[in-house]
Amino acid sequence: DGGITQSPKYLFRKEGQNVTLSCEQNLNHDAMYWYRQDPGQGLRLIYYSQIVNDFQKGDIAEGYSVSREKKESFPLTVTSAQKNPTAFYLCASSTPLDGGLNYGYTFGSGTRLTVV
Amino acid sequence: AQSVTQLGSHVSVSEGALVLLRCNYSSSVPPYLFWYVQYPNQGLQLLLKYTTGATLVKGINGFEAEFKKSETSFHLTKPSAHMSDAAEYFCAVSDDNQGGKLIFGQGTELSVKP
Repeated sequence: DGGITQSPKYLFRKEGQNVTLSCEQNLNHDAMYWYRQDPGQGLRLIYYSQIVNDFQKGDIAEGYSVSREKKESFPLTVTSAQKNPTAFYLCASSTPLDGGLNYGYTFGSGTRLTVV
Repeated sequence: AQSVTQLGSHVSVSEGALVLLRCNYSSSVPPYLFWYVQYPNQGLQLLLKYTTGATLVKGINGFEAEFKKSETSFHLTKPSAHMSDAAEYFCAVSDDNQGGKLIFGQGTELSVKP
């Protein structure tokens, strides 16, 4: 079955360390997204990519970096510059459904990052 | 810019009672609207979505939502709550001008009392 795989499910980071969250999809979707979820704030967009080798900043990109070297993969690095990285991170992908602006979205099961 | 507002971060209902979760949006173009459900430490599951056509949208698990353009609302309802409905619910709008990314509301946590 096609889907999105996020790993690891739980991740612990020491202050000052960079960590990379993995997101892999086998849906052949062009677009991929990273969201951060904090209690009471919903999901906020970190980065998104509409095509391989291209990506754009979302609303809260500071302290994060991404790459899109392959269509299937969109890893997110949380750098030491991110001052409050403890959160739940969700990866998603999308594809146009009818050639227009109607998209179908698929979400991964998330990675919970905790700074210790 | 498009935005979504969910009224009430916590809603509590009794089992068997009506569920009403409120969502208002702002959009300069005809919106695509979504409701998602999230169980603890899991991803998002699509309940229903509005694209075009019929304004009353039926989704999974007995949920439905009505698109009201005049009120810029897309409230989620279910006639009779079950204990299994306890979860967090997110309303979202598709930002069609920027690659279809989703813009989410703040979320509403639904509790169901026995």
